[in-house]
Amino acid sequence: DAKTTQPNSMESNEEEPVHLPCNHSTISGTDYIHWYRQLPSQGPEYVIHGLTSNVNNRMASLAIAEDRKSSTLILHRATLRDAAVYYCILRGYSGGSNYKLTFGKGTLLTVNP
Amino acid sequence: EAGVAQSPRYKIIEKRQSVAFWCNPISGHATLYWYQQILGQGPKLLIQFQNNGVVDDSQLPKDRFSAERLKGVDSTLKIQPAKLEDSAVYLCASRNTGQGLNTEAFFGQGTRLTVV
Repeated sequence: DAKTTQPNSMESNEEEPVHLPCNHSTISGTDYIHWYRQLPSQGPEYVIHGLTSNVNNRMASLAIAEDRKSSTLILHRATLRDAAVYYCILRGYSGGSNYKLTFGKGTLLTVNP
Repeated sequence: EAGVAQSPRYKIIEKRQSVAFWCNPISGHATLYWYQQILGQGPKLLIQFQNNGVVDDSQLPKDRFSAERLKGVDSTLKIQPAKLEDSAVYLCASRNTGQGLNTEAFFGQGTRLTVV
C-alpha cells in the first residue's frame, strides 16, 4: 500500500482556518485520497475524499496538488469539537467493489479557545 | 439510520483467557471490517468480510485470533488465548458496497480490551 506522511501534531485557535497537510509521493494513478478523523474515545469518522480535483463538503475542503503527491485538508473555521486525530489515507484496492483503509498515525489537532 | 453497534464496550481479562467481541453493522452493508487500535497508533486492519466471505485476513494472527460472519450480517471476533500485547481497542466498521467504490466506512465506538 502507498504510504502517507503527516505531521504528528498541529495546533489551531478556535474560529480560525486549519490546513492539515499530507504527503503521498508514491500515490498511484487510481488511488483515491480519503480523510477520516477520530474524536476522543470514538471510532474514526469519514471526512472527505478526492481523486484529482479539489472537493468541498459540509465538513471540510480537500485541496489536491496537481501532481497528486500531496494534499491538504482545510477546516474553514475550527471549533473545539474539531479537536481530533486526522488521518490521511490512500484507498487500497481489495478486489471487486472492495477497498481497505490503511491508517497511519495521523495528525493530532488541538484547538485552543 | 442506526450506526454500527459493538459490544461489550469494555472487557478486562487475564492473559491466556478467551474473549469474544460482537459487531452488528449498519443494515444492508455488505462489507465489514475489524480493526485493532493500540494506544497511540492508528487502527490496523485485522480482517475484512464481503457478505459472509473473507476478502482480506493477511494481518490476522490466526494462531490466536478468529472471526466469522456466518449469515453475512453480525460478526464476532475471538481471541484465544489472549496475550498482554492484545490490549487495545477493537473497532468494527461497515460499508455499503452497493453504492459504489468510494462510499464511506462507518465505525462503531469499539471495544476496549485490557489483558492483565
